[in-house]
Amino acid sequence: DAKTTQPPSMDCAEGRAANLPCNHSTISGNEYVYWYRQIHSQGPQYIIHGLKNNETNEMASLIITEDRKSSTLILPHATLRDTAVYYCIVRVATGNQFYFGTGTSLTVIP
Amino acid sequence: NAGVMQNPRHLVRRRGQEARLRCSPMKGHSHVYWYRQLPEEGLKFMVYLQKENIIDESGMPKERFSAEFPKEGPSILRIQQVVRGDSAAYFCASSPRAGGADQPQHFGDGTRLSIL
Repeated sequence: DAKTTQPPSMDCAEGRAANLPCNHSTISGNEYVYWYRQIHSQGPQYIIHGLKNNETNEMASLIITEDRKSSTLILPHATLRDTAVYYCIVRVATGNQFYFGTGTSLTVIP
Repeated sequence: NAGVMQNPRHLVRRRGQEARLRCSPMKGHSHVYWYRQLPEEGLKFMVYLQKENIIDESGMPKERFSAEFPKEGPSILRIQQVVRGDSAAYFCASSPRAGGADQPQHFGDGTRLSIL
């Protein structure tokens, strides 16, 4: 699976959009970009995934650059409950597992 | 709650004892994955099982660790003769079918194993 690079930590003001970047410059054509988050003492929570096109669901939006070498997860109106570690993962079509790095620790500030 | 259920949430064992961790997948899911998370680290894949079959155990330690997913009942991760280094959070995930790149895995809240 392709390696991802994320900033170790970020802050965001409550009510503002949180934009979490991820670099995956070695991504292959059949690899999807996934985002999970892990709130302290809980299991990872699936957020969103995509291949080429931008995606949106009730939790977030995923913006993937045209060359697919980077992506951004957008939480449109961050709340205190969005404070968590966010993992960007790329996954090959035949893979059985997700490779979790160290992620970005997002702190939403009141 | 139709999510992935893991029990116990917390388990304390003394060195040399056995630890048994249980995972019931989401309703309709027949594929189970186990991961381990050491303190301050990301999750690491251990094993992938379907009913009565181990599909991929490339992340399992060669000794003391075993996993099963019987035809009836939950998946079990068993650690024999536990050592201090086994202290970690163990997470189970499930999916409705075999891992394809467009297939999310859904995680339980884990079992936190502490070895005295």
